[in-house]
Amino acid sequence: GAVVSQHPSWVICKSGTSVKIECRSLDFQATTMFWYRQFPKQSLMLMATSNEGSKATYEQGVEKDKFLINHASLTLSTLTVTSAHPEDSSFYICSARHAYEQYFGPGTRLTVT
Amino acid sequence: AQRVTQPEKLLSVFKGAPVELKCNYSYSGSPELFWYVQYSRQRLQLLLRHISRESIKGFTADLNKGETSFHLKKPFAQEEDSAMYYCALRLGKTSGSRLTFGEGTQLTVNP
Repeated sequence: GAVVSQHPSWVICKSGTSVKIECRSLDFQATTMFWYRQFPKQSLMLMATSNEGSKATYEQGVEKDKFLINHASLTLSTLTVTSAHPEDSSFYICSARHAYEQYFGPGTRLTVT
Repeated sequence: AQRVTQPEKLLSVFKGAPVELKCNYSYSGSPELFWYVQYSRQRLQLLLRHISRESIKGFTADLNKGETSFHLKKPFAQEEDSAMYYCALRLGKTSGSRLTFGEGTQLTVNP
């Protein structure tokens, strides 16, 4: 089956620094990837849709300058949280479309101290 | 805008009892409906979709367009069914069509 990986699985960073999260489709090519944010015991909130070779489409209320998305190849999308603050601490999940289905990565736990 | 509502945040049943996880949606067209499951410390995975009309792990879900519902049912719950369940809606099949998730229902099946 289609597998999506994320790296790192968890990261701790200091307030004001930037952190990059990678999302890879391991055995398929994905022209579209999605980035979600999940708070404890809550739903997944779509942050942005990442399109290979073009700009990402951000959901209303998501700061595009703070959450930089780059989809440089058909198997890799990255999310960079710039100038991170404690309120950015969350679980970030990516997913990739393949054959009309979405496959999810295992998520990245970000803690900003 | 489309919306998915799961009225129960927590649901607890005993092993062998029937279970029904409710899902209602608001959209005037014909969306695709899905149920996703997230077991403890595992990634989100697709459980079933309405167009497949299939039973997965004993679970079934019927799309009721009149009531705009897509409830998930299982006649005899098992302990391994304990997980977080999300109902989701998608408006189209194009690559950019995104999923809208409900808030999720935490199912606990007690021995």
